[in-house]
Amino acid sequence: EAGVAQSPRYKIIEKRQSVAFWCNPISGHATLYWYQQILGQGPKLLIQFQNNGVVDDSQLPKDRFSAERLKGVDSTLKIQPAKLEDSAVYLCASSLEGTVSSYEQYFGPGTRLTVT
Amino acid sequence: AQSVAQPEDQVNVAEGNPLTVKCTYSVSGNPYLFWYVQYPNRGLQFLLKYITGDNLVKGSYGFEAEFNKSQTSFHLKKPSALVSDSALYFCAVTRRDDYKLSFGAGTTVTVRA
Repeated sequence: EAGVAQSPRYKIIEKRQSVAFWCNPISGHATLYWYQQILGQGPKLLIQFQNNGVVDDSQLPKDRFSAERLKGVDSTLKIQPAKLEDSAVYLCASSLEGTVSSYEQYFGPGTRLTVT
Repeated sequence: AQSVAQPEDQVNVAEGNPLTVKCTYSVSGNPYLFWYVQYPNRGLQFLLKYITGDNLVKGSYGFEAEFNKSQTSFHLKKPSALVSDSALYFCAVTRRDDYKLSFGAGTTVTVRA
């Protein structure tokens, strides 16, 4: 079974530039999450999708971050414009829907963003 | 609000010795608890979970965790650590019908040969 795919793996940009990250979840997983993991901290949820609808985006800085999952499969997270404090690893995760197993999230390898 | 505390930034043990990684939680209602492991340059991997039932939960790679409701703890244990267990370990909590995980800050485990 293929895991959660993310690209790119690494990205270096200057502040005020824009950047986009892509995620393809495990086939059949209806729920998709984006997390931000700052060095030395645990992952923090940015946004949760169920199919192509947003379930929770309360911690997404909406003035600069946006995310979409148009067809209920893959997803894109965008930052525009980037700030120095956005330097982090951005993790995508997915899970099944409607069973006890839906509490188990499967994570991709992450995208390490460095803003200079 | 829900939260997790991992009181130790680092745990160092010798190979073959028991390994314990501590976790305490705060959540309203019954907790659903998880342990994940993160190897360098890789995403988080699911180790085990407690949803309901037996307080002692067994997971991948010989790890287990014990749910203690009175102490609001969910410590991760392994009877005999391996060098390959060296990694970053995260405890996480949520509750029924809320799939949003709240993670602790992580504990770095180093197992020396």
